Amino acid sequence: AQSVTQPDIHITVSEGASLELRCNYSYGATPYLFWYVQSPGQGLQLLLKYFSGDTLVQGIKGFEAEFKRSQSSFNLRKPSVHWSDAAEYFCAVGGPSNTGKLNFGQGTTLQVKP
Amino acid sequence: GAVVSQHPSWVICKSGTSVKIECRSLDFQATTMFWYRQFPKQSLMLMATSNEGSKATYEQGVEKDKFLINHASLTLSTLTVTSAHPEDSSFYICSARPPGSGGEKLFFGSGTQLSVL
Repeated sequence: AQSVTQPDIHITVSEGASLELRCNYSYGATPYLFWYVQSPGQGLQLLLKYFSGDTLVQGIKGFEAEFKRSQSSFNLRKPSVHWSDAAEYFCAVGGPSNTGKLNFGQGTTLQVKP
Repeated sequence: GAVVSQHPSWVICKSGTSVKIECRSLDFQATTMFWYRQFPKQSLMLMATSNEGSKATYEQGVEKDKFLINHASLTLSTLTVTSAHPEDSSFYICSARPPGSGGEKLFFGSGTQLSVL
């Protein structure tokens, strides 16, 4: 069964600094990978996804992620963090049939210092 | 863009009562919807897959008699928490996708915070 691990529960960065949120997955085949952002008490917004092709994917709000099969990773990056990026970030993996059924990681809380 | 509306966004109920949560796709037909629950500071756990016109598929460990799911139309799925107890207090989120699509066209509701007293 597929699973997702986000090693960092909480990360604090200064505004303007670069950001990398880690995500590791366990899956037998090429997975469908997603990054979502959740603001307090809100639903989830899709930042980006990887299905196939170019392993570096661009998303909304200046985020990007790189799929590295050899490391089973799909880390999320942003060159310069804004205070409005403070939120909960979830990495998720979809099953082989891409039904929309997702397994989520534990989430990483991002705090941005002024 | 596509929108999924979830209602109510916040509900408080007494222990032993039932609560219904609605998940509605506003501008597309959703033959499949998913229900998740999220405890504070934790991840989303899939509860069940709701299929229009058929019975929901529940994940292991989820009580189907406790969490009743009805997907009677192409735009509406409901989750009813029956005989709610304080341990059912949680944040419930639904997601929906148009027919023929998968995770690439998955839209989430804004969630429902349930507090059982």
